[in-house]
Amino acid sequence: GAVVSQHPSRVICKSGTSVKIECRSLDFQATTMFWYRQFPKQSLMLMATSNEGSKATYEQGVEKDKFLINHASLTLSTLTVTSAHPEDSSFYICSATQSGNAYTGELFFGEGSRLTVL
Amino acid sequence: QKEVEQNSGPLSVPEGAIASLNCTYSDRGSQSFFWYRQYSGKSPELIMSIYSNGDKEDGRFTAQLNKASQYVSLLIRDSQPSDSATYLCAVNPSASNYQLIWGAGTKLIIKP
Repeated sequence: GAVVSQHPSRVICKSGTSVKIECRSLDFQATTMFWYRQFPKQSLMLMATSNEGSKATYEQGVEKDKFLINHASLTLSTLTVTSAHPEDSSFYICSATQSGNAYTGELFFGEGSRLTVL
Repeated sequence: QKEVEQNSGPLSVPEGAIASLNCTYSDRGSQSFFWYRQYSGKSPELIMSIYSNGDKEDGRFTAQLNKASQYVSLLIRDSQPSDSATYLCAVNPSASNYQLIWGAGTKLIIKP
């Protein structure tokens, strides 16, 4: 199956700093990637849809200036949490889908990044 | 509002028994249906995908789809303690949109 790699898996930072999370599709081209956030004992919450070469589409209630998404290539999308605060502490997960003829609707997930803001 | 609903559980099943997980969806035109398993602190992993009415079997897992009733289920035979996890149902409402609609998940506990 398709492999998605996410880095870092864990990050601890001080309040006010920015954190960048990378998401890479290792063996396929991902025209579209999705960024999710998950709080403890809650379900996945879609934050934004990232399309290669264009601006991300953010879900309602997600601050685009706080959560910067860049999808500069077909294999890499990044999420930057700017001026992080303790309430941003969460499990962030990226996912990608194979597009075009390979599209099956399946999402392939990265390992997730656990962010703790002190 | 397109919705996917699951019983949050927990669903407790004895080891060796059949675990039955259910999911309903609101968009009648939905095309693709998926079951993901998520262990605590980990990201989801795909267990089964199903695209047409009927049953699809893969090892101990069977996915069942009934589009007329807008219902999809996952059966796990010979349940093992390692099957204890949260199971997420996801639906793709349109072949032209890659976004999935997610259920809240059912927590499954397999008791030895």
